[in-house]
Amino acid sequence: AQSVTQLGSHVSVSEGALVLLRCNYSSSVPPYLFWYVQYPNQGLQLLLKYTSAATLVKGINGFEAEFKKSETSFHLTKPSAHMSDAAEYFCAVSASGNTPLVFGKGTRLSVIA
Amino acid sequence: EPEVTQTPSHQVTQMGQEVILRCVPISNHLYFYWYRQILGQKVEFLVSFYNNEISEKSEIFDDQFSVERPDGSNFTLKIRSTKLEDSAMYFCASSLRRPEENEKLFFGSGTQLSVL
Repeated sequence: AQSVTQLGSHVSVSEGALVLLRCNYSSSVPPYLFWYVQYPNQGLQLLLKYTSAATLVKGINGFEAEFKKSETSFHLTKPSAHMSDAAEYFCAVSASGNTPLVFGKGTRLSVIA
Repeated sequence: EPEVTQTPSHQVTQMGQEVILRCVPISNHLYFYWYRQILGQKVEFLVSFYNNEISEKSEIFDDQFSVERPDGSNFTLKIRSTKLEDSAMYFCASSLRRPEENEKLFFGSGTQLSVL
């Protein structure tokens, strides 16, 4: 079975500061990992995904995430936060088979001017 | 970019009443999903649908729930007799290819269901 844990339900950073949102996964098979973002009053949008190719994955809006098998982590980073990055971020995992996405609880990112 | 559309954005109902949540997936997509998120909890998978039948469902998706694609464009989730604990944000999603191909899921903006 697959599961994800997102550390920190709320993260607050200053504009221009590094963004780091943490995600640890548990999977009995090589995982496929995803980060989704939800802006206010909008649906979930895919930021990036890892599917066993390069361990460093680049996504939209300057975000990237690194798959670290030894740490069972897939943390999301962005070098410099922008006000428009304020949103809810969800990490998700699925097995490399016909299984649905399993989501974390989400982390709300606030960006302070 | 094409998008998944959900209506209504907010639905209020009395306990025991039937509700139908509506979704219009992206037109050429073949796989359809419902997820829900109870306030403060995880986004949870409910059901997936392909070729006019359920392909997978979770433990949450009991006999009170049903899905339908009545006319080739809409994809509906029906809750036969709502309970207080059904209050949640319900997300519809669609994809072009099979889940094992790790196709990108496109999500709608959700319907907030409030059961009183």
